[in-house]
Amino acid sequence: QITLKESGPALVKPTQTLTLTCTFSGFSLTTHAVGVGWIRQPPGKALEWLALIYWDNDKRYSPSLKSRLTITKDTSKKQVVLTMTNMDPVDTATYYCVHRQTGSYFDYWGQGTLVTVSS
Amino acid sequence: DIVMTQSPDSLAVSLGERATINCKSSQSVLYSSNNKNFLAWYQQKPGQPPKLLISWASTRESGVPDRFTGSGSGTDFTLTITSLQAEDVAVYFCQHYYTTPYTFGQGTKLEIK
Repeated sequence: QITLKESGPALVKPTQTLTLTCTFSGFSLTTHAVGVGWIRQPPGKALEWLALIYWDNDKRYSPSLKSRLTITKDTSKKQVVLTMTNMDPVDTATYYCVHRQTGSYFDYWGQGTLVTVSS
Repeated sequence: DIVMTQSPDSLAVSLGERATINCKSSQSVLYSSNNKNFLAWYQQKPGQPPKLLISWASTRESGVPDRFTGSGSGTDFTLTITSLQAEDVAVYFCQHYYTTPYTFGQGTKLEIK
């Protein structure tokens, strides 16, 4: 049974760096074709894909946010970490951790964590 | 980027009636080498993460009621819910996974009339 859980601060100040951790179970990030990524959703708005990291350490980023994002993995801890620099109030959103297989859809989602950017 | 546009933005349908949601991509998401459409549909209820309903434009996920049907190819896709139930009230999103960046439609809010 695949599960993912996001953790991180609920509140960050403008210009600060956000660090989110996804802790997963039920699969390994050393298995061929497996990837873990992040998607966000501002309140009442649409979903936005942010980043993905694959079993072979291949990393993909949203072009519009690439300069601000870093995604890493710790396979022994079964964690994926996303950092986003220079946070702004428009980055206020629920951030979801997701599982996918290469060339496929997002089949498992975490419950999400709401991050508010405010001074 | 491939832009996904859904219509309508909101929809009110009577219980037991049919609901139809459309999704159009700005370029084809049909991969010619395997003849598959890289298109998924998700259902999101309030306070919950999105739930995958349909992949490859028309493949229903395990456990999804057969009143949910996906259709279409290339750039034009449809999610049809026959005989609407109260538990189908949600926001529905389409998403392509053809290439990065993976993008979503703006969502269609489905309500009971």
